[in-house]
Amino acid sequence: AQKITQTQPGMFVQEKEAVTLDCTYDTSDPSYGLFWYKQPSSGEMIFLIYQGSYDQQNATEGRYSLNFQKARKSANLVISASQLGDSAMYFCAMREGFSGGGADGLTFGKGTHLIIQP
Amino acid sequence: NAGVTQTPKFQVLKTGQSMTLQCAQDMNHEYMSWYRQDPGMGLRLIHYSVGAGITDQGEVPNGYNVSRSTTEDFPLRLLSAAPSQTSVYFCASSYSSLDTKNTEAFFGQGTRLTVV
Repeated sequence: AQKITQTQPGMFVQEKEAVTLDCTYDTSDPSYGLFWYKQPSSGEMIFLIYQGSYDQQNATEGRYSLNFQKARKSANLVISASQLGDSAMYFCAMREGFSGGGADGLTFGKGTHLIIQP
Repeated sequence: NAGVTQTPKFQVLKTGQSMTLQCAQDMNHEYMSWYRQDPGMGLRLIHYSVGAGITDQGEVPNGYNVSRSTTEDFPLRLLSAAPSQTSVYFCASSYSSLDTKNTEAFFGQGTRLTVV
């Protein structure tokens, strides 16, 4: 079973609209972290936002917020007031096992290709 | 700050050749990892290290070796390149922390490898 599922291979959104990118995850570990990364056409991986499994509040970073629904195991990224520069691939990722420092790298979803139209 | 530095940025190999992808970080991070990115597959973990002298396999380790003799460096070796290893390779590093903050992975710029 996939640990990270991103069900939207591609999305077209009008500039200035809000965007929600879906991510569901699967883990039995009570300690985990969820990340979103942006990959523009230039290829670098840019960290956007992080949510820990024990965090009580949804994470926010500027125009990015993470809609964390623990019982549903979903961690959707919300981009408010989209801009042309938001056009990129977006990846959801998970790291399991913070307790005891046991991190074994990130598990990534397959990504969503977001295109912002003027 | 240099962050995570990967070399080379591009490489073409012939089938059967060996080479080493270099990765260095100057942030004193304990954790380092190698990923490969193939079209439609997202990033997949090859090998990782939780500190100098300690390495372990990820999801797709076959055909690759790693070692971690220093905190700063984590080279990835292709022993006998195959066309199936054509991919973009990313190195990443992060802190080890029981505090769930500040554990984002910092990525290098990537190495585009073609095996012909």
